[in-house]
Amino acid sequence: DAGVIQSPRHEVTEMGQEVTLRCKPISGHDYLFWYRQTMMRGLELLIYFNNNVPIDDSGMPEDRFSAKMPNASFSTLKIQPSEPRDSAVYFCASQKWGSLAKNIQYFGAGTRLSVL
Amino acid sequence: GQQLNQSPQSMFIQEGEDVSMNCTSSSIFNTWLWYKQDPGEGPVLLIALYKAGELTSNGRLTAQFGITRKDSFLNISASIPSDVGIYFCAGPLNAGNMLTFGGGTRLMVKP
Repeated sequence: DAGVIQSPRHEVTEMGQEVTLRCKPISGHDYLFWYRQTMMRGLELLIYFNNNVPIDDSGMPEDRFSAKMPNASFSTLKIQPSEPRDSAVYFCASQKWGSLAKNIQYFGAGTRLSVL
Repeated sequence: GQQLNQSPQSMFIQEGEDVSMNCTSSSIFNTWLWYKQDPGEGPVLLIALYKAGELTSNGRLTAQFGITRKDSFLNISASIPSDVGIYFCAGPLNAGNMLTFGGGTRLMVKP
């Protein structure tokens, strides 16, 4: 099993530029989560999908942030335009709902974003 | 809202020492998860607990689901340098699939 795959691992961009983060969940998982991690705020849930449908996006900080899941094997998180305060590590996680794997989320290695 | 309070926030110990950390909440949880995050990586699940009073081990790690359902403990015996990282507790928000995470315990081990 390849695990959750995120790309890129590192992204450095200038303020005002568009940033797209990508995630491939574990095959067969029906939930996908996007998190942001900073020293100040810890791990924050941004949005999650169930069967490719966005269920809760209340954690998305602003309209500059958007997320899509066009199919079961791919999701994107886009920031447009980016700002320095968006600098953080962004994680994608996936989960398969079932009695033996209840609530367990599997995380990718993250994308470290730096907005200059 | 439901919040998880982890303590201590950080620990600096000598290799070989035992480690104990805990997670508490004002709300009842039906599941407790313990994750470890290595530097530069994503969190990895260590132990999952589903029953009050449950005690589960994973190698040198042992975690317990508190009887009150409002707390959980993680112990590491005979620490080694590769135990360095951030340990997070997590539990499901309400009856949904969202998890709430504690603030983490940063462990540093001196060889």
